[in-house]
Amino acid sequence: QKEVEQNSGPLSVPEGAIASLNCTYSDRGSQSFFWYRQYSGKSPELIMSIYSNGDKEDGRFTAQLNKASQYVSLLIRDSQPSDSATYLCAVNMGNYGQNFVFGPGTRLSVLP
Amino acid sequence: GAVVSQHPSRVICKSGTSVKIECRSLDFQATTMFWYRQFPKKSLMLMATSNEGSKATYEQGVEKDKFLINHASLTLSTLTVTSAHPEDSSFYICSARGTGNINEQFFGPGTRLTVL
Repeated sequence: QKEVEQNSGPLSVPEGAIASLNCTYSDRGSQSFFWYRQYSGKSPELIMSIYSNGDKEDGRFTAQLNKASQYVSLLIRDSQPSDSATYLCAVNMGNYGQNFVFGPGTRLSVLP
Repeated sequence: GAVVSQHPSRVICKSGTSVKIECRSLDFQATTMFWYRQFPKKSLMLMATSNEGSKATYEQGVEKDKFLINHASLTLSTLTVTSAHPEDSSFYICSARGTGNINEQFFGPGTRLTVL
């Protein structure tokens, strides 16, 4: 069973703080990893993709990947109330990346 | 980024009727599209993978005769919920695999189906 796991939350952080979202996956051969943001009643929006070990930064967002530990995280710096949403981790599994598996999502609440 | 549209955005129908939902890739060709369903406060559940010109691949537990998928062109996939019942009420979301990086998926805005 290929799985992606996340803490469901809610994760509450004060405005301006760093929010840290974590994700683990079961398939060691996975090569592609994604973070999606989903506001209530809306469809997911791709915010970060990462393919290599290490950090990838895009504005206030930093994705971190550790393939040896099968772990991917998303850091949100200077969190804003508008960042309050559910964050979905997605992993493209399988030898040819043909199996896109979503985690259950972590609900983030940024408190003003 | 790649744009995916869905139509309609919201539909209310009577039990027993069929509903068709369209998913279009607007600025790219999508050989593969995906159909998801999401119940309130639950995660996305993949229903089926739609490949242009071939039969869809359904996930375990999804009735292929109830959820008809047609991917007739590189920019259009349709999902028809046949003989809808109240338990089919959900948020249906399609996504398309991009051509620039085939690993990325771009989501449509979703269709909220309410079956009375």
